Parts: sequence; structure tokens; C-alpha cells
Amino acid sequence: AQTVTQSQPEMSVQEAETVTLSCTYDTSENNYYLFWYKQPPSRQMILVIRQEAYKQQNATENRFSVNFQKAAKSFSLKISDSQLGDTAMYFCAFLGNAGNMLTFGGGTRLMVKP
Amino acid sequence: DTAVSQTPKYLVTQMGNDKSIKCEQNLGHDTMYWYKQDSKKFLKIMFSYNNKELIINETVPNRFSPKSPDKAHLNLHINSLELGDSAVYFCASSQDLAGGETQYFGPGTRLLVL
Repeated sequence: AQTVTQSQPEMSVQEAETVTLSCTYDTSENNYYLFWYKQPPSRQMILVIRQEAYKQQNATENRFSVNFQKAAKSFSLKISDSQLGDTAMYFCAFLGNAGNMLTFGGGTRLMVKP
Repeated sequence: DTAVSQTPKYLVTQMGNDKSIKCEQNLGHDTMYWYKQDSKKFLKIMFSYNNKELIINETVPNRFSPKSPDKAHLNLHINSLELGDSAVYFCASSQDLAGGETQYFGPGTRLLVL
């Protein structure tokens, strides 16, 4: 079974600065997919970014980018130029190639301060 | 246009009652899911359906019975509600069972059992 660990329960960052959220996972699979989801106070789960394990290039989506280290089983999320609207819970999630159930980490609560 | 919708958004009920949560997706996806988010924000898969057929049942009590009348709908019926059922329930959908398909989430239903 896969496990996903987010070691930072809470983080804060000043508006306009950069913050990195950590995620590690454990799997015996070689092909898999990793995701970051954002859950603002509205409770909606919003996809932030996804990474295919077979791709060496790190995924980027505007101000969001990942540092995917397959050998280390690490998948961190970097948010550049943080905005107040980035305040949310962030969940790292793993999806195996054979299955279709997401395994989530425990989440990191991010507060962006003005 | 709402991609994945759930009704109701809030549900407050007494222990022992039976309740249903409805989910609909207009994305044309074949696969739908139910996840449960507990009071500590931990998210876990409950069920997945593909083309109206049950694919995953993750050791959920049989008081929970999903029903998929068609591939655009996946409803969750809960019998004899217990205090521990209080949680946020998320519906999600993905294109199909092929590896790595992104799952898109509904807004969640907050269930409170008194």
C-alpha cells in the first residue's frame, strides 16, 4: 500500500514571497502520478498541479511548480509570489498506474499574511 | 457550468436516521468516486464506480450503499447514521479507469450527525 506524508501541518508566508510545501511518498510502483490539491475555506478541492512519474521535467502551472525527486520519493510544491488567495489547506496525493484511488497526505495548512 | 455537483451541501440529522447525498457530473466521465474527509481533514476513498459498476469498496460499513443510476450520477445512501459518520463527503469523477486520469471533485457535503 502506498503512503503519503506531509511533514508540515502548518506554514505561513508573507504576501509576494515564495514558500515550499513538502511531500514524501512510499511506493513500489515505477509508473504513477502525483498531484497537489488546494482546499480553501470554501471546502472545494481544487487541482493545483499534476506530475507523471515517467517525466523527468518538473511540472509548472503559473506561480506553482514542483520539485519531483523520484529516487528520493519526494514531491514538493513551490508557490511563488504568494497571494492572499493562496491561503488554504494543500494536499499531496498519489495515484498508482494500476488503480484509480487517490491516496492523500495529511495536508498542510498555508496562511499567506499581508 | 458546474462540473461536479453535490446536493445537499449541508446535512444535519439525528442518529439512527437514513440520508442520501446526490452527485452529478457533466464532464462526460466514466468513473466516479466517493471520498470521506474526517474532522482532522484526512481524506480517504470510500467507493469508485466505472460505467455504473462498483470497482472499489474500501472497507466501508455496509450501512453505506452507493448507487449509480447512470454514469453521470453516483448517489450515496447511509442507513442508521452514527455520530462517527459526521464528516465531509466528496464526490469526484475522472475520464475513465486508464492510469493517471485526474480526478475532479465536487464541492463536498458536510454531514453532521447529532
